[in-house]
Amino acid sequence: NAGVTQTPKFQVLKTGQSMTLQCAQDMNHNSMYWYRQDPGMGLRLIYYSASEGTTDKGEVPNGYNVSRLNKREFSLRLESAAPSQTSVYFCASIPMSGSTEAFFGQGTRLTVV
Amino acid sequence: GNSVTQMEGPVTLSEEAFLTINCTYTATGYPSLFWYVQYPGEGLQLLLKATKADDKGSNKGFEATYRKETTSFHLEKGSVQVSDSAVYFCALREGTGGFKTIFGAGTRLFVKA
Repeated sequence: NAGVTQTPKFQVLKTGQSMTLQCAQDMNHNSMYWYRQDPGMGLRLIYYSASEGTTDKGEVPNGYNVSRLNKREFSLRLESAAPSQTSVYFCASIPMSGSTEAFFGQGTRLTVV
Repeated sequence: GNSVTQMEGPVTLSEEAFLTINCTYTATGYPSLFWYVQYPGEGLQLLLKATKADDKGSNKGFEATYRKETTSFHLEKGSVQVSDSAVYFCALREGTGGFKTIFGAGTRLFVKA
């Protein structure tokens, strides 16, 4: 059981380039999330999808777009990368609402130069 | 809005010392509370959780009690090991609305042999 899989693991972009971070989960979870992790700031929510077919902004959505392609997959797109988007990005999924914990991918380390 | 505040690190302890990492929260409704741990180069994984007031979560010698009167969820361990060196995140899961999980900034723990 693979859990939550993120690709790629590492990426270097030039300012202005675009890219899509992929996330897939094989646990049949309803909700999926994208976070970014920066030193001293913990994890900040970028976008989330409470269920297939819905997406909502989190705390720091500017400069990003998302697509919930199906129940398994939730992608994060940077249309025009900026150095401020250098970060580690984590995808997470949760099986249902309420008290259940989040399951995380291994992260994507993105550097924008 | 909802938020989580945890003590700043890093925290440096000798092996077998007692550990406390403070966490307080602000939330409407009845959130679930979590502690996650992140080992170097990995994603976050659940350490323990509590879903209602006065619940105690425990795992691997770590404990935390959901205190609604003080809005706290402090993490404790009686005797730390070198292998406990990691970053610890306190988090809450909203009980209503989007059921988002909100994280504190993280506390890095170093345990010396």
